[in-house]
Amino acid sequence: EDQVTQSPEALRLQEGESSSLNCSYTVSGLRGLFWYRQDPGKGPEFLFTLYSAGEEKEKERLKATLTKKESFLHITAPKPEDSATYLCAVQAGGNNRLAFGKGNQVVVIP
Amino acid sequence: DAGITQSPRHKVTETGTPVTLRCHQTENHRYMYWYRQDPGHGLRLIHYSYGVKDTDKGEVSDGYSVSRSKTEDFLLTLESATSSQTSVYFCAIRPGANTEAFFGQGTRLTVV
Repeated sequence: EDQVTQSPEALRLQEGESSSLNCSYTVSGLRGLFWYRQDPGKGPEFLFTLYSAGEEKEKERLKATLTKKESFLHITAPKPEDSATYLCAVQAGGNNRLAFGKGNQVVVIP
Repeated sequence: DAGITQSPRHKVTETGTPVTLRCHQTENHRYMYWYRQDPGHGLRLIHYSYGVKDTDKGEVSDGYSVSRSKTEDFLLTLESATSSQTSVYFCAIRPGANTEAFFGQGTRLTVV
């Protein structure tokens, strides 16, 4: 069974205080790892797709990286508007499903 | 925003009644998914579809059925709603098997 574990569950940051979120996974034949952002009362919003170890993607203050066992979402100099829950999902070989972790809830304090 | 519309957005229903949630897309994407999201559990897959009339079960499919008679519509039915099915339901679409998924705004269902 595909397993996705995100840590920490919750994180409070001061504005400007950089940090990283972790997504560790155990799947048979990773076909893709996906990061999403979710605001309260809304659907998840797609951020990044990573397909192979060593790959990196960047968007504004967010940078996602991938190894063979985990992915990191780095938040550089966060702003209050970066407050959200960040979700990680993986797709393993042989099926068309996305398995999600429980999320990292991030609060950025002004 | 991806062209996904979920309806209704909110619903309160009584235990034992049937309920149907609708997901409509304008993107002509092949894959469609139904997830439920509950505190402490994250997003869990209920059912998904990989084409018209082609569906498969997810990890929490008991008590739910789906139908896809047209590319654009994916229906989720609770045959006899129970309080444990109180949740927020999300529909997602994907253009291909290994691509990112795009989510609707969700349906908040309360079973009393």
